[in-house]
Amino acid sequence: QVQMRQSGPGLVKPSQTLSLTCAISGDSVSSKSAAWNWIRQSPSRGLEWLGRTYYRSKWFSEYAASVKGRIAIKPDTSKNQYSLELNFVSPGDTAIYYCAGDHSSGVSWGQGTLVTVSS
Amino acid sequence: QSVLTQPPSASGTPGQRVAISCSGSSSTIGRNTVNWYQQVPGTAPKVLIYNNNQRPSGVPDRFSGSKSGTSASLAISGLQSDDEADYYCAAWDDSLTGWVFGGGTKLTVL
Repeated sequence: QVQMRQSGPGLVKPSQTLSLTCAISGDSVSSKSAAWNWIRQSPSRGLEWLGRTYYRSKWFSEYAASVKGRIAIKPDTSKNQYSLELNFVSPGDTAIYYCAGDHSSGVSWGQGTLVTVSS
Repeated sequence: QSVLTQPPSASGTPGQRVAISCSGSSSTIGRNTVNWYQQVPGTAPKVLIYNNNQRPSGVPDRFSGSKSGTSASLAISGLQSDDEADYYCAAWDDSLTGWVFGGGTKLTVL
């Protein structure tokens, strides 16, 4: 059974960088049949996919147009985890952030992290 | 406005069968599989159905999914009080190159 465990701060100041990590158990971040996503949820935007990273003989990352240019999703093979960095955040980035793995036996989500952007 | 369209609410009485629809397009449901999620307020979404009609282990067979053309449906039979939750559909969008979600359907058990 694939499980995802998130970590990271719940409060970020405007214009700074939001950083979260998702640790994977039960599968490998380097699996050639999986993709590792970040999704956020807020009352104003609903569920919003932010991007993903995956390995298919080399690493790929894809991002939503709404955050492209200030987002990076990176794998860490040594720790079997992946991360989210969202730069230049504003109060509009306040949301619950989820990691979610799309793998051969289904889809698994992390527990969610409420991130508030405030000074 | 969400890319996938769901009714905002649905209801039923205990024991009844209810169905929740999800309408997409040729670039979403028309070409890709659909997942369904159940979310109790304050908790993370839980996968009920993946790949249109597959249930993860532990999900009761009262929950079933189907897809036809550019639409999908989640059916819940033998409705129970703890089925009260928000339900979301999701699919990959080839045009946007990303997952898209429905706006959610709030299910009330009367």
